[in-house]
Parts: sequence; C-alpha cells; structure tokens
Amino acid sequence: AQSVTQPDIHITVSEGASLELRCNYSYGATPYLFWYVQSPGQGLQLLLKYFSGDTLVQGIKGFEAEFKRSQSSFNLRKPSVHWSDAAEYFCAVGADSGGYNKLIFGAGTRLAVHP
Amino acid sequence: DTGVSQDPRHKITKRGQNVTFRCDPISEHNRLYWYRQTLGQGPEFLTYFQNEAQLEKSRLLSDRFSAERPKGSFSTLEIQRTEQGDSAMYLCASSTSSATNEKLFFGSGTQLSVL
Repeated sequence: AQSVTQPDIHITVSEGASLELRCNYSYGATPYLFWYVQSPGQGLQLLLKYFSGDTLVQGIKGFEAEFKRSQSSFNLRKPSVHWSDAAEYFCAVGADSGGYNKLIFGAGTRLAVHP
Repeated sequence: DTGVSQDPRHKITKRGQNVTFRCDPISEHNRLYWYRQTLGQGPEFLTYFQNEAQLEKSRLLSDRFSAERPKGSFSTLEIQRTEQGDSAMYLCASSTSSATNEKLFFGSGTQLSVL
C-alpha cells in the first residue's frame, strides 16, 4: 500500500536560515509526488510537484524539492526562510486510480520561524 | 476564478444529529474530491466525483456518510447520526480532468465538532 512518512513533526528555524523538510514514500511504481502548504484558515496550496524528468523540481515561494528514487525520498528545501513561511507542510503521493489522482498525505511538518 | 468555497466554515453539533456540508468547486472543474483531516494528521481521501458520478468511495466512508453532486457542480456531504469520532476538518478540492497529474485546488474546509 502507498504511504508517506514525514519524520519531523515540528521544526524551528531562524529567519534567513536554510530549510529542509524530509519526506519518504512507499509506492510500487514511479510516483507522482507533491508538497502542499497549509496556513491557519487557508486551504492547502500546492508548492510543487514531480511526475517525471528532472529530479530537482522548482516550486513557488522559492521552494525546491529533489526526488531520489534510491532513497524513496522527496525532500523540500528553501535556501533562506522568511517569517511568512511558518505553516504546516504536507508531502503527498498521487496514486493513479482509474485515471485520476488520489492523494495520500503524510502527517505533516509544522514549521516555526524565529525572527 | 473565485476558488473552492465551503460552507459552513465551522459546525458544532451534538452527538446523534445529522449535518450537511456544501462545497462549490471552481466553475470549470469537473472533478471534485472530499478529504477529512483530523488533528495532527494529513488529509485522508474520502470520495471522488467526475461530473455527477461518484466514482470512488474510501472505506473510511461509513454508511452514515453520503455525498452527492447532483448537477455536476456543487457537492454536499452529509453525516447522519454523528459521533464524536467524526470531529475533523472536512476538505473539498476540485480539478480539471485533463490528465492524471492535474493540480488540486482545495477549499478552506469545514471544521466539525461533535459534542
């Protein structure tokens, strides 16, 4: 069965520091991989996605993620964090189910940013 | 594009009562999804519509849950005889059907509290 593990429940970084959020997945075939961000009172917003091709994916708000098949990982990175990045981040794998994309989410990583 | 809207934003009910939530997807989107998110967890897939047809239901969706999308536009999710375990955020998402890798747009959710 497909699954997603986000090992870090909470992460705190200082503003301007670099960030890496970890994500490991379990999926038999080549997965569709996503990172979403959820701010309080806001809907989930797609940061980036990977389907094929270049394993380093650029997203919105200066985020990037790297797909590593050998490690079953899809870690999210940002070189310099801004206070507005404080939110909850979810990694997800898309299971192709009859031609549509059913997402399986990890439990999330809550990011706090110190000024 | 006004985004995906959900109503109400919050619902408090007593155990055993019935509740109904509404989701209005982005107008040109023919795919609509319901997810449930409990505290400290990522969203879990509940059900999926292509136009008015409900094509998949998760085993999480017990007989007390029913979802409809009568005209292929808005959708409703009804929970009968609510239980405390139903307390969660109910998220709606929509997308086009251009491909399996379509982008999901999420609403802000309906927070249900069952007392």
